Amino acid sequence: ELKVEQNPLFLSMQEGKNYTIYCNYSTTSDRLYWYRQDPGKSLESLFVLLSNGAVKQEGRLMASLDTKARLSTLHITAAVHDLSATYFCAVLNNDMRFGAGTRLTVKP
Amino acid sequence: SAVISQKPSRDICQRGTSLTIQCQVDSQVTMMFWYRQQPGQSLTLIATANQGSEATYESGFVIDKFPISRPNLTFSTLTVSNMSPEDSSIYLCSVGVLYEQYFGPGTRLTVT
Repeated sequence: ELKVEQNPLFLSMQEGKNYTIYCNYSTTSDRLYWYRQDPGKSLESLFVLLSNGAVKQEGRLMASLDTKARLSTLHITAAVHDLSATYFCAVLNNDMRFGAGTRLTVKP
Repeated sequence: SAVISQKPSRDICQRGTSLTIQCQVDSQVTMMFWYRQQPGQSLTLIATANQGSEATYESGFVIDKFPISRPNLTFSTLTVSNMSPEDSSIYLCSVGVLYEQYFGPGTRLTVT
């Protein structure tokens, strides 16, 4: 059974700092997703990573995928308060399995 | 892309009753997925619904508790039956279009 592990589960950052969220998964998959969820809201798609070595960037967020290591990272650069949310990675293998989520708080 | 709507957006229900949640997509899709998100938790797949066939349930979810209908390629319903407080969650439907996976706004269910 596909397992998706995400860490850290909680992350408190100061504005302007950098940090990385990690997502490991247990079986082969060539499609990995990152989502953002604000409190009381649904999921907002951030990135879809389709192949080994894929890197995508949007604003202060950059995601990468290493299918050989079964690892994806979400890197946050110079965090701002607006990035405070919960971030989920999810892996597609017949169906989609989610990591536990990283609750990010960015403090001034 | 796909735009998904769900009804109701939220409800407060009494223990022992049932609630049917509707999911409408603005385009035809082969598979629709139903997820549950318990308070403060991640998303857990309940079942996959294909049009014209029985839904496929994940371990820990059964048809008697979560019956699903899929009458056409743009619509599905999920019923939460004989509810208990443990069923208090957000229920989301989801569809895949090309490489993207889209989620509805969710139905926030509180069981008292």
